[in-house]
Parts: sequence; C-alpha cells; structure tokens
Amino acid sequence: DIVMTQAPLSVSVTPGESASISCRSSKSLLHSNGITYVYWYLQKPGKSPQLLIYRMSNLASGVPDRFSGSGSETDFTLKISRVEAEDVGIYYCGQLLEMNTFGAGTKLELK
Amino acid sequence: QVQLEESGPGLMQPSETLSLTCTVSGFSLTSNGVGWVRQPLGKGLVWMGTIWAGGSTNYNSAVQSRLSISRDTSKSQVFLKMNSLQPEDTGTYYCARHPDFAYWGQGTLVTVSS
Repeated sequence: DIVMTQAPLSVSVTPGESASISCRSSKSLLHSNGITYVYWYLQKPGKSPQLLIYRMSNLASGVPDRFSGSGSETDFTLKISRVEAEDVGIYYCGQLLEMNTFGAGTKLELK
Repeated sequence: QVQLEESGPGLMQPSETLSLTCTVSGFSLTSNGVGWVRQPLGKGLVWMGTIWAGGSTNYNSAVQSRLSISRDTSKSQVFLKMNSLQPEDTGTYYCARHPDFAYWGQGTLVTVSS
C-alpha cells in the first residue's frame, strides 16, 4: 500500500501569515497519463472533509485562491497564503492512484 | 446539487454485522463511483472501499475479508456491510463521490460496544 507521510503534525499560524504543509508518498503518484493523483482535504471542526486541491495543483470549486498545491512525483506541498480564522482544522493529503490512502493529518490552529 | 447521506444503526454489539446505506442525489451511480471512509474517534481518515460506476469494487486489504460494498442504482443507494465487528470498528463512516472524493456525506457514527 502507498503510505502518505505528512509534516508537521500541527502548525500554529498568525492570521495573515502563510503556512505550508508537506506530504510525501512512498511511491510515485504520477500516472502514465501525466496526472499526479495527490489530493488535499480540510476537515473543519465537527464537519466532513472537504476537497481543497485535486490532482496535485487544481483548486476545487469554491475554494479561495489563497490555497495552492504543488510538488513532484513523491513530494507535495499545500500552501495557504494569508491564513484566516476559517482555515482552522485538520488538513489531510491523500492519494487516489492505487486504491486510496490518506496522511495522518496536520492540525492548523491560530496563534 | 450533489448530495450524499449516510444512515445506519448507531450502536452495534461486538461480532455483529454492520449495514450502512449511502443515499445519493444529483448524480447517477452508473456515472460516478462512491467510496466509504472511516474515521475512528479523534483520529484520521481510513479508506474502506469503493464501488465504481461500472459496478466493480475495491477494498482496503485490512478489512477486505469482512467487508462488502454493493448498490441499488434504481434507488440511488450504496451499501456497506461489514461482519465480525469489534470495538476498534467504532468511528464515523463517510461516503464520498468520485472522481476525487469531491463530495462527502455528513457521516454516521457507529459505536461498537457490549
């Protein structure tokens, strides 16, 4: 199974500052079709997960452009510019190349 | 609009068989796959399995021997059945739509306890 490793496990950010979360996969997530099947989800307190970024760098519908995704075949980054109070929650990376697996999550809180 | 809604019994006894239903609207099960994701209390997300638009299924190897996912396309429902429940199966169960798990249900809490 593909293992997704996130870092850090928690991050504390001053509102208005930026934050980055890393995710590493145990295997390349680049498909032969050129698509990299890594995803980012945010689970706000008491809510279901919501899709933020799909296929490494595509912003999901309705997601502010303060969020961006980038990476290579095995190393990925979610960047949040100008963090706001509504960004608090747990961020998960996930892969949908071979079955599905998720990272352990990164908890973002405000300073 | 796309919606998914999970339903289930809430409280189960060890060794029983869990049956959950995901009722969808706004799309067809013959056009989109649906997956099940479990979240133990206070912990992260664990993919359980997926039923694809064509009807084929994939399962997490950790639960494959106990898990079955099926569907009734005429009722727009996806079913999860898992036998030999143990307390560690306690958690919130979500269904989510492919591609990309772009849409999720609100989740249903299942507690396995004697």
